[in-house]
Amino acid sequence: GQQVMQIPQYQHVQEGEDFTTYCNSSTTLSNIQWYKQRPGGHPVFLIQLVKSGEVKKQKRLTFQFGEAKKNSSLHITATQTTDVGTYFCAGPGGTASKLTFGTGTRLQVTL
Amino acid sequence: KAGVTQTPRYLIKTRGQQVTLSCSPISGHRSVSWYQQTPGQGLQFLFEYFSETQRNKGNFPGRFSGRQFSNSRSEMNVSTLELGDSALYLCASSPRTSYNEQFFGPGTRLTVL
Repeated sequence: GQQVMQIPQYQHVQEGEDFTTYCNSSTTLSNIQWYKQRPGGHPVFLIQLVKSGEVKKQKRLTFQFGEAKKNSSLHITATQTTDVGTYFCAGPGGTASKLTFGTGTRLQVTL
Repeated sequence: KAGVTQTPRYLIKTRGQQVTLSCSPISGHRSVSWYQQTPGQGLQFLFEYFSETQRNKGNFPGRFSGRQFSNSRSEMNVSTLELGDSALYLCASSPRTSYNEQFFGPGTRLTVL
């Protein structure tokens, strides 16, 4: 079945440093979504990308969807302690019309 | 608009028992999906209901079942609980489908002893 992997699994940065998480799907995706889950919380939708090569920005966050629609990335510029959490990508793929979530990247930010 | 609500928030059961979890979606959302989240397996799709019909199903045994009512509220049931069923069960609603933007509830933390 479809698999969605993310790297790294965990990253610890100092406040002000940049952070990037990469998402790779075993199948072509019709769209890619990104979610953030704070410790003890539930996933919260951040953004959806649909077009090949699409780039979207939300303040310090930049999201990219690969040309082949099988990979994506999330880049955070100048991290803040409020960025702490686990970031998941998710996408429907293949013949399954359900979301498959990536393995997640846990971000820790310290002062 | 009120968000997705789930009850109960915490539950402790013993092996062999059964459990029913409840989810109320955002008003107007007809798609309700259920996910299981564990440290080892991550977020895994259980099933989706739309207009009272199961539209998609994940790779879980038949002990996991669900239903949706005419007001879009949904319940999921797990029978003959096993230790490995301990997890955070998340409900998510969407205006359209399970593969568009999902609005998650706070989850039900189930512990099986």
